[in-house]
Amino acid sequence: AQTVTQSQPEMSVQEAETVTLSCTYDTSESDYYLFWYKQPPSRQMILVIRQEAYKQQNATENRFSVNFQKAAKSFSLKISDSQLGDAAMYFCAYRSAGQGAQKLVFGQGTRLTINP
Amino acid sequence: EAQVTQNPRYLITVTGKKLTVTCSQNMNHEYMSWYRQDPGLGLRQIYYSMNVEVTDKGDVPEGYKVSRKEKRNFPLILESPSPNQTSLYFCASSLFGAGGPYEQYFGPGTRLTVT
Repeated sequence: AQTVTQSQPEMSVQEAETVTLSCTYDTSESDYYLFWYKQPPSRQMILVIRQEAYKQQNATENRFSVNFQKAAKSFSLKISDSQLGDAAMYFCAYRSAGQGAQKLVFGQGTRLTINP
Repeated sequence: EAQVTQNPRYLITVTGKKLTVTCSQNMNHEYMSWYRQDPGLGLRQIYYSMNVEVTDKGDVPEGYKVSRKEKRNFPLILESPSPNQTSLYFCASSLFGAGGPYEQYFGPGTRLTVT
């Protein structure tokens, strides 16, 4: 079974600085998808960014980018120019492209605090 | 507006009193799923449905039931709730099939407390 590990329960960063959240995963599959979700205090789950495993190029969405290392099974999220609105719980998630595609496997989450 | 709705948003109940959490989506999605979120554990899948009348267990199905009689609705049923089912529950939906990854749309969450 696939597993996702976020080893940083909490992180903090100064406003306008850059922060990187770590995520590793374990799988024997070659084709899959990876996601970062943001959960602000409202509890709503918001998709931040996604990465297809077959794509070598790292995904970017405005101030959010990922460092996808397939061989190392690592998928970190970099937030540039941090803003107060970025404060939230962040979840890394895995989804198979084949058998097991019916579910997202989530990490434990990292709570990000932005210091003004 | 495309959305997934859940009701109720908050519920406090007592052990053994049957309850249902409703989930509805207006995007004509085939796939729907229930997750529970617990501190330090992230979100774990309870049940999922690939289409009407097609449901299957996720990773933590014990103590829960679901049904999918209509494409838009996917209620979660707790026949005899226990305190270890105190949690935050999310319903999600998406398209499903070749050509993914289709984004999963999440409902706003239901905070359940069982005393």
